[in-house]
Amino acid sequence: EPEVTQTPSHQVTQMGQEVILRCVPISNHLYFYWYRQILGQKVEFLVSFYNNEISEKSEIFDDQFSVERPDGSNFTLKIRSTKLEDSAMYFCASSVGLADTGELFFGEGSRLTVL
Amino acid sequence: AQSVAQPEDQVNVAEGNPLTVKCTYSVSGNPYLFWYVQYPNRGLQFLLKYITGDNLVKGSYGFEAEFNKSQTSFHLKKPSALVSDSALYFCAVRDMIRDDKIIFGKGTRLHILP
Repeated sequence: EPEVTQTPSHQVTQMGQEVILRCVPISNHLYFYWYRQILGQKVEFLVSFYNNEISEKSEIFDDQFSVERPDGSNFTLKIRSTKLEDSAMYFCASSVGLADTGELFFGEGSRLTVL
Repeated sequence: AQSVAQPEDQVNVAEGNPLTVKCTYSVSGNPYLFWYVQYPNRGLQFLLKYITGDNLVKGSYGFEAEFNKSQTSFHLKKPSALVSDSALYFCAVRDMIRDDKIIFGKGTRLHILP
């Protein structure tokens, strides 16, 4: 069964450092998303991406965050200068597209710890 | 903007008893509604969805949910709980008018007591 894969599973970084989280969505999916979850609680929307551009972003997704799909398979989330409050589990998700019912398929997550 | 409310942080049910996890939603148009489950240290797994048609939808692992438009609710149910159902459950909504994202509720932790 196809699945969304994420790397790394856990990253520890110092405050102010840049972090890149990587995701490989399901191959025939067209929409890509990043969500984050702090302390196993609410799952917060960060950004959606379609046709090589951001479709929508939340207030959380400020200038420190960026996404790109550099090679047609990977989908990356970059945090330019990490803050303590960026510590969270980051989930990548993908969906087939607007024509379908829109259910998301999630990866297992990347845990980011900022010290 | 769409939103989802899960009024219970935790629900405790004895094994074999029926369970209900509550969810209400708010959208500007017609909703797509979803339930996802998260087991410890795992990603979210899709359980079931309501798009249109029959208000009672059936999903994975014997779960079902009932869409109630007048009450703007989409409660998750199961006739007989299993200990293995213990997990974190998220209700979610996608607005059919502006549907490029799914918004999740805060989650309800379900404990099934043996």
